[in-house]
Amino acid sequence: DIQMTQSPSSLSASVGDRVTITCRSSQSIGRYLNWYQQRPGKAPNLLIYAASSLQSGVPSRFSGSGSGTDFTLTISSLQPEDFATYYCQQSFTTHTWTFGQGTKVEIK
Amino acid sequence: EVHLVQSGAEVKKPGESLKISCKGPAYNFTNYWIGWVRQMPGKGLEWMGVIYPSDSDTRYSPSFQGQVTISADKSISTTYLQWSSLKASDSAKYYCARRVVYVGYPTFDSWGQGTLVTVSS
Repeated sequence: DIQMTQSPSSLSASVGDRVTITCRSSQSIGRYLNWYQQRPGKAPNLLIYAASSLQSGVPSRFSGSGSGTDFTLTISSLQPEDFATYYCQQSFTTHTWTFGQGTKVEIK
Repeated sequence: EVHLVQSGAEVKKPGESLKISCKGPAYNFTNYWIGWVRQMPGKGLEWMGVIYPSDSDTRYSPSFQGQVTISADKSISTTYLQWSSLKASDSAKYYCARRVVYVGYPTFDSWGQGTLVTVSS
């Protein structure tokens, strides 16, 4: 099984800050990496697919990068509605798409 | 935006059976894989399995194989997640999600609202 590890597990930041979340896979997955945002009590929402492609309707302050085993989600200027938990997910293996453990972004 | 609508919250006792549902739009429901994801209280997302409603081809995460059954009824654009004997540890919120392929890369672009399952004696 491919394991996905996110860091940090949580972070505190202020509105306007630049935030970076890292996701590492246990083996190379090319660019088969998705990022989701989950607000409390809500379903996950797709932000980024194929490591760096922005889903339609997602603000441009979100960006993704990386390939192989190391990936990054960046929020260029944190907004109040961005306080949430973020998950990476690999889609490299057929029909088994594991998630990272999540990164909670909290208000400083 | 595709809307997946899940069945309502359930409260069950250990040992009871349960089947929850996820209904999609009729016009293209059978053309996409639909996955199920577990989220235990205060925890992260766990991939459970996926089904292709057109032919009911089903794949399970090793962690959930034998623990749940995923099925579909394409005539009513609905997939199901089923337990034959619930345990307290099955208490969680369960999401369905639609798999699409964008420029050759699978992703999950639409999610149901989630079904909260509580198992308690």
